[in-house]
Amino acid sequence: EDKVVQSPLSLVVHEGDTVTLNCSYEVTNFRSLLWYKQEKKAPTFLFMLTSSGIEKKSGRLSSILDKKELFSILNITATQTGDSAVYLCAVGTDSWGKLQFGAGTQVVVTP
Amino acid sequence: EAEVAQSPRYKITEKSQAVAFWCDPISGHATLYWYRQILGQGPELLVQFQDESVVDDSQLPKDRFSAERLKGVDSTLKIQPAELGDSAMYLCASSLGLAGSEQYFGPGTRLTVT
Repeated sequence: EDKVVQSPLSLVVHEGDTVTLNCSYEVTNFRSLLWYKQEKKAPTFLFMLTSSGIEKKSGRLSSILDKKELFSILNITATQTGDSAVYLCAVGTDSWGKLQFGAGTQVVVTP
Repeated sequence: EAEVAQSPRYKITEKSQAVAFWCDPISGHATLYWYRQILGQGPELLVQFQDESVVDDSQLPKDRFSAERLKGVDSTLKIQPAELGDSAMYLCASSLGLAGSEQYFGPGTRLTVT
């Protein structure tokens, strides 16, 4: 059975801190790994990773994939209160684009 | 910017009643997904369409849930009869359908069964 496990489940940080979120996976047919941000609404896309060792960056957010050790990390530097959200990791597992989601990491950034 | 549309946004129904949700994907997106998200968990795929055909409904409780996408564009998800455990957020997403391609999510329908 395919599994996507995120850690930690939740964390609280102060504005300006750096946050590292983890996503490990065990799937039979890996195609891609995606990160989404979910505030009190639908998930919004952050990154898609398909190759090991290539960092993707968008502003203060960055992510990297390790296909040998089967995990990805999402970093958020200089956190702001607007970064407070649930961050979801999902793994694409077939040719039709099916995604297996993890349970998410709840991030709370305090002023 | 093109968006996935869903309605209603909120629905309260009594158990044993029927309920239906509607989704209109981004124009040109061949693949449409219905997910259920229980509070504190990630979205769980219920059914996936490629055009008008179902390609994965392995997690759809077929005794009470049904889904259709008759013309390969918009889609309806129905629950009959609703049970208390069906209370959740129902999310629709669409994509180009290529392997590992990004899925775009609609705003969701929050269902409460009383």
